[in-house]
Amino acid sequence: DTGVSQDPRHKITKRGQNVTFRCDPISEHNRLYWYRQTLGQGPEFLTYFQNEAQLEKSRLLSDRFSAERPKGSFSTLEIQRTEQGDSAMYLCASSSTNEKLFFGSGTQLSVL
Amino acid sequence: ILNVEQSPQSLHVQEGDSTNFTCSFPSSNFYALHWYRWETAKSPEALFVMTLNGDEKKKGRISATLNTKEGYSYLYIKGSQPEDSATYLCALDHSNYQLIWGAGTKLIIKP
Repeated sequence: DTGVSQDPRHKITKRGQNVTFRCDPISEHNRLYWYRQTLGQGPEFLTYFQNEAQLEKSRLLSDRFSAERPKGSFSTLEIQRTEQGDSAMYLCASSSTNEKLFFGSGTQLSVL
Repeated sequence: ILNVEQSPQSLHVQEGDSTNFTCSFPSSNFYALHWYRWETAKSPEALFVMTLNGDEKKKGRISATLNTKEGYSYLYIKGSQPEDSATYLCALDHSNYQLIWGAGTKLIIKP
């Protein structure tokens, strides 16, 4: 399978715990995006990487959120001290420069 | 704040009928307009990326037009089929990498 893969598919956690999600993009894609999607809304931009450089981070993202893309390959998104409002679908997408995005299946986070 | 609006929010269409819906966006700082289809329990799938005013793209029974001067794009589906049921999202690329997404149009095809 040469698509974008995300792990885990589902994560249930207790409020206050830390969680980490992983995204493996299509190997030749230099761009990687993280989005969050809640019911009835379009994808909300979280952050963007061009190769290993994190070029933009949404102002809506609190300091509890951090993302990395070491060596410009896979990426991780960590949420520290989770809150119930963090419950959402977290989507990863990758693309080549100026091309369409390819999405992973997402990680559904539920914070109890 | 840039805002992308899609209408209608949801749409019920009889199988075999044709339909269309709208994506409106600010016409300044335009780089590209994306259309995606998002089926339940699947990942969003790209339909079109459009960059030129007056552009028209087609993929099977689905086509899209673009007017960058007035800030809108139409998506058309000809002869709707049950497998067309999905949420259709448009996204404005205004900076060569960051997409501003609409909330989507949920299309339900009635057999």
